[in-house]
Amino acid sequence: IQLTQSPSSLSASVGDRVTITCRASQGINSYLAWYQQKPGKAPKVLIYAASTLQSGVPSRFSGSGSGTDFTLTISSLQPEDCATYYCRQHNTFPITFGQGTRLEIK
Amino acid sequence: EVQLVESGGGLVQPGGSLRLSCSASGFIFSDHHMDWVRQAPGKGLEWVGRIRNKASKYTTEYAASMTGRFTISRDDSKNSLYLQMNSLQTEDTAEYYCAKLSGRVNAFDLWGQGTMVTVSS
Repeated sequence: IQLTQSPSSLSASVGDRVTITCRASQGINSYLAWYQQKPGKAPKVLIYAASTLQSGVPSRFSGSGSGTDFTLTISSLQPEDCATYYCRQHNTFPITFGQGTRLEIK
Repeated sequence: EVQLVESGGGLVQPGGSLRLSCSASGFIFSDHHMDWVRQAPGKGLEWVGRIRNKASKYTTEYAASMTGRFTISRDDSKNSLYLQMNSLQTEDTAEYYCAKLSGRVNAFDLWGQGTMVTVSS
């Protein structure tokens, strides 16, 4: 299953609402997670089961979608959100990741 | 402290072999399925494979490009996960992460810091 994220990169200002989309090549129910990776660090899970916020993750992050179309939304961008974001499906093996979305702060 | 620590990375020639280790602490290692994920320099995340827990008979899954070359194993008595890599190719150059699968959330909720593998002559 291929996951296509858009955009591949974006630049936004502090306080902006940011949306990243992830489209699956076939239906994956809600078996999707979102990860954040900062430079030189391991990824960190933000959202699982498409829309459930992982414990300890700020509430400005939210996820939605099911089937083939998913979104990650940051309601009010903060400087520490500068990172690359990946979606990942586990509906079917092999597990696959999207190609990533690099988010920069203007 | 709850953590995963990888080791064993380094420089290897094309066609060579390498064994990575991942040492777990701070949680009940034997309860969890464990995965390897890699990341080539400047590239995205790529899933390598999984080994399930004893209750699931230690069964494994692999990405297509690793099947037959890579073998994942574990030793629950040592809280350790392994990745045996054979017939290494230049495109296997990457940071290799071990990751714990949370059964509750079905996501990787704990990652190691990574170990770098460089395949070059």
